[in-house]
Amino acid sequence: GAVVSQHPSRVICKSGTSVKIECRSLDFQATTMFWYRQFPKQSLMLMATSNEGSKATYEQGVEKDKFLINHASLTLSTLTVTSAHPEDSSFYICSANRQAQETQYFGPGTRLLVL
Amino acid sequence: AQTVTQSQPEMSVQEAETVTLSCTYDTSENNYYLFWYKQPPSRQMILVIRQEAYKQQNATENRFSVNFQKAAKSFSLKISDSQLGDTAMYFCAFMSPGDKLVFGAGTILRVKS
Repeated sequence: GAVVSQHPSRVICKSGTSVKIECRSLDFQATTMFWYRQFPKQSLMLMATSNEGSKATYEQGVEKDKFLINHASLTLSTLTVTSAHPEDSSFYICSANRQAQETQYFGPGTRLLVL
Repeated sequence: AQTVTQSQPEMSVQEAETVTLSCTYDTSENNYYLFWYKQPPSRQMILVIRQEAYKQQNATENRFSVNFQKAAKSFSLKISDSQLGDTAMYFCAFMSPGDKLVFGAGTILRVKS
């Protein structure tokens, strides 16, 4: 299977600070990566589609200035939660699309707690 | 828009027994992909099995197999010889080629010893 890493695995920050989460495809190149948010015992909610070398596509209701996405290389996408507030506390998961297989592989997730 | 329905919020099975998780979907497309992902307590999403809609043969991966009924738009997952490590939330998902995944609400499966 394909391997996707995500860093950090958990982060605690103060309200008003920014947090960056990295998503890397370790053994394949991914022109497209995805960022999800998940609340306990619920399904994954797609936040945005990250495209290498171009702007991300955000889902309806997701603030693009709040959740900055950069996909600067074929193996790395970053999500920056700007001016984080307690309501941004959640579990964030990334995935990378292995194009040849038309299959998404997921990172282990990041638990964000904003105090 | 495509939708995915998992009608069983929770299920339980005895160790070594067989269990089937149901999934139905709605689409007007003819070419697409279907997936089952497993999310154990660690919350890591793990690909269990993948089915290409144009292939009539049901996909299998060791103890995991699917019953893909394209006309009925049904994609159930059968787990044979259930193990304690199979305890997880299972998500059924649909994907058009080159597009995003559409997830069902998930089924919590508990394997009891």
